[in-house]
Amino acid sequence: EVQLVESGGGLVKPGGSLRLSCAASGFTFSSYSMNWVRQAPGKGLEWVSSISSSSSYIYYADSVKGRFTISRDNAKNSLYLQMNSLRAEDTAVYYCARSSPRYFDIDYWGQGTLVTVSS
Amino acid sequence: QSALTQPASVSGSPGQSITISCTGTSSDVGSYNLVSWYQQHPGKAPKLMIYEVSKRPSGVSNRFSGSKSGNTASLTISGLQAEDEADYYCCSYAGSSTNYVFGTGTKVTVL
Repeated sequence: EVQLVESGGGLVKPGGSLRLSCAASGFTFSSYSMNWVRQAPGKGLEWVSSISSSSSYIYYADSVKGRFTISRDNAKNSLYLQMNSLRAEDTAVYYCARSSPRYFDIDYWGQGTLVTVSS
Repeated sequence: QSALTQPASVSGSPGQSITISCTGTSSDVGSYNLVSWYQQHPGKAPKLMIYEVSKRPSGVSNRFSGSKSGNTASLTISGLQAEDEADYYCCSYAGSSTNYVFGTGTKVTVL
């Protein structure tokens, strides 16, 4: 069974940093592209970042470019999101999500971790 | 990259059919047959319902179907059931630098 378990969320002040982690199991992690998708309270889904299976290709939404860094450790079956210079508008549930073998859609999602940016 | 446009809400009675539209541009929906749809119940993670415009993953009811015309994709739910009440999001591939663009979301209410 595919499982994606996020951790690392919490309350942080504006301008602060936070590192999210996602532990993957139930599939060959090193074979799949991975993503972070967020959802602000009461709002819709927003794609944040993607990383290819070997980390060769990395993409970011314009809203986080230059502030967030996605990475992965295939030996540890883990995905990460380093978030710096956090703003109030970054407040959201952050989902770890697996790209399907087709790449162009997302077939599995974690349960999410809440990040709150507030003074 | 702007979000794809969906109606805020759609409702229907049990057994009826409803259709949710998803309007993008020639840079996303119009350029690729790579539209997917996700169902999200309150407090839960999204679930893939449709991929590549009209294909259903294993385990998804055949009451869910998808289509596309030009810059607009659609999700139809036939034989509406109480458990279909949820938020639905479309998503389109939008090129290598943007990757995914999601829709604004539609709340489906079963009357």
